Formats: sequence, structure tokens, C-alpha cells
Amino acid sequence: DTAVSQTPKYLVTQMGNDKSIKCEQNLGHDTMYWYKQDSKKFLKIMFSYNNKELIINETVPNRFSPKSPDKAHLNLHINSLELGDSAVYFCASGDFQETQYFGPGTRLLVL
Amino acid sequence: KQEVTQIPAALSVPEGENLVLNCSFTDSAIYNLQWFRQDPGKGLTSLLLIQSSQREQTSGRLNASLDKSSGRSTLYIAASQPGDSATYLCISGGSNYKLTFGKGTLLTVNP
Repeated sequence: DTAVSQTPKYLVTQMGNDKSIKCEQNLGHDTMYWYKQDSKKFLKIMFSYNNKELIINETVPNRFSPKSPDKAHLNLHINSLELGDSAVYFCASGDFQETQYFGPGTRLLVL
Repeated sequence: KQEVTQIPAALSVPEGENLVLNCSFTDSAIYNLQWFRQDPGKGLTSLLLIQSSQREQTSGRLNASLDKSSGRSTLYIAASQPGDSATYLCISGGSNYKLTFGKGTLLTVNP
């Protein structure tokens, strides 16, 4: 019955590798988001998709590329991982002006 | 550009005490304001959502108020319990699905 799910929950990888994080929501929302929470626990929005269309693209390195195959999925692909990419990445879904529902987070550690 | 500030950054209270968490925002042209809690190592849970046309919302022991003209929101927690210990985030919702996060208030309720 999980509303917003992310996989994997933990990701430990070497610098330079490419990795993907998957997100799925079963709430029927049109909009999904990716957020990054840094070591100081500060959350920042990265991307938002509405019905598979990119609507928010904050200042994020080109190495980060979101992909939305359908409105229930929003995956995050990261190329050439760097140490500074280590963070917790949260996926969320919600309709405009309504509550957002967050996934459990993916803890990424780049060595 | 919207900025959201939460005061205090950390708060420690004895069990049973009533408390208030404060949130201020610089741009009053918001669509809504949400309060979330984040438990260590877990995702975010929505507590209350106040639409821009509303003044307050209540859920159980929680009451959130919104004063757009002064750019403030407060989260009132009555009869605090150790289970309330978490980080509380204030998030403003603007146009184009954009959310702006505060840095959170770390609440510790001591038994």
C-alpha cells in the first residue's frame, strides 16, 4: 500500500560511476518531484514533472537527468558521480496546490 | 525569490508542554503552506496544509495558522509527547508547482 516508493533505499558507489534511482507513486497524481537533502538537512527541489512533462528544472548539473516513462514513474539518472552528490534524494508526488507525499528517500554515498 | 525561515532551529521541551514553531516567508504570493515532519532516517510526512485563502488548519493536537500579510505561519503542538520528537519543516507553495523549504526545527520532547 506504499504511496510513494523509491529504490534503492541505499546506494554506495565509486566516483565516476553512473547510477539510477527509481520512483513510483500509486496515488494517481499528475505531478512528481525530485528533491535533494544535503548534509545540513536542507531540502532543495531539483526537478518536477507534470504528466510526463518537465515543468521545474532547478540549477542542477547536466549529469542529473530525470526520466518519466508515465505519470506514475519518475526516475533519476546520475552520470559521472562526484563526491558532492552524496546526499539523500527524495521523490514526491502531489497535485498542484495539494499535499505532497514523499517517498522514504534514497541515501547515496559516493566514495 | 521566496525565502522561508524557521525559528527556532532547535527546541527541547519536557513532555506535556504546549509549544509553537514559527515560520516566516518573504513573498506573500503563496498558494499554500504546508507543515511536514521528518523522522531520522525516514521520509517526510505531511501534517497540515493551509491554502492561501485559509487562516488555519487543525488535526488532533496540531494547529497551524497562516497570516499572508505578515508572511508568517505557526505550528502549535498541544500537550507534547516524546513521539512528537522530529524535525518539523515549513514549506511554501508558489506558482508553477514550486515549493520552497525552510531548514526545519529540530524538536526534542523529553519524557
